[in-house]
Amino acid sequence: TQLLEQSPQFLSIQEGENLTVYCNSSSVFSSLQWYRQEPGEGPVLLVTVVTGGEVKKLKRLTFQFGDARKDSSLHITAAQPGDTGLYLCAGAIRYNQGGKLIFGQGTELSVKP
Amino acid sequence: NAGVTQTPKFRVLKTGQSMTLLCAQDMNHEYMYWYRQDPGMGLRLIHYSVGEGTTAKGEVPDGYNVSRLKKQNFLLGLESAAPSQTSVYFCASRPHGGVGANVLTFGAGSRLTVL
Repeated sequence: TQLLEQSPQFLSIQEGENLTVYCNSSSVFSSLQWYRQEPGEGPVLLVTVVTGGEVKKLKRLTFQFGDARKDSSLHITAAQPGDTGLYLCAGAIRYNQGGKLIFGQGTELSVKP
Repeated sequence: NAGVTQTPKFRVLKTGQSMTLLCAQDMNHEYMYWYRQDPGMGLRLIHYSVGEGTTAKGEVPDGYNVSRLKKQNFLLGLESAAPSQTSVYFCASRPHGGVGANVLTFGAGSRLTVL
């Protein structure tokens, strides 16, 4: 069973603070995705990282894929209340039947004004 | 363009009752998935389909059945609901290949409570 461990599970911070969410596994992924989910809605894709060591930036969000393609991180700079939500990482196993994604447990982020 | 539509959005069942959740996508995607989401457990795959007429078991298939008679629809059935099946259910779809082949498009979810 492939596991994707996401940490922390809960994070409550003040507006303006920085934070990092981690996603770790013993499995190698062909790609890794980060989703954001708001209450009452389905997850929405933020980014896909494919190459080991890859870094992608989306405004104040920075995503990094580990060199060995087993881990990833999401860093938010100067968090804002609008960043509040559930963040999910999901890894794709190469040649995985049905193209299934393995999801982490999620990080519930609350940014207080 | 509606994307992925799930019905119903909310349902309350009594133990032992049966019901069907419907997922419809209008993006001509080959692959469709049913997940359940429970606090602290992320998304767990129940069943999936790689094309019309095909289905396969995911991580937590027990107590559920699925059917994909038409490419655009993926049905999730509970034959005899149990309280452990209280959850939020998400349907997702993706294309077979090309750009975005691994990117899932999710529905808004169906919240099921079993008393």
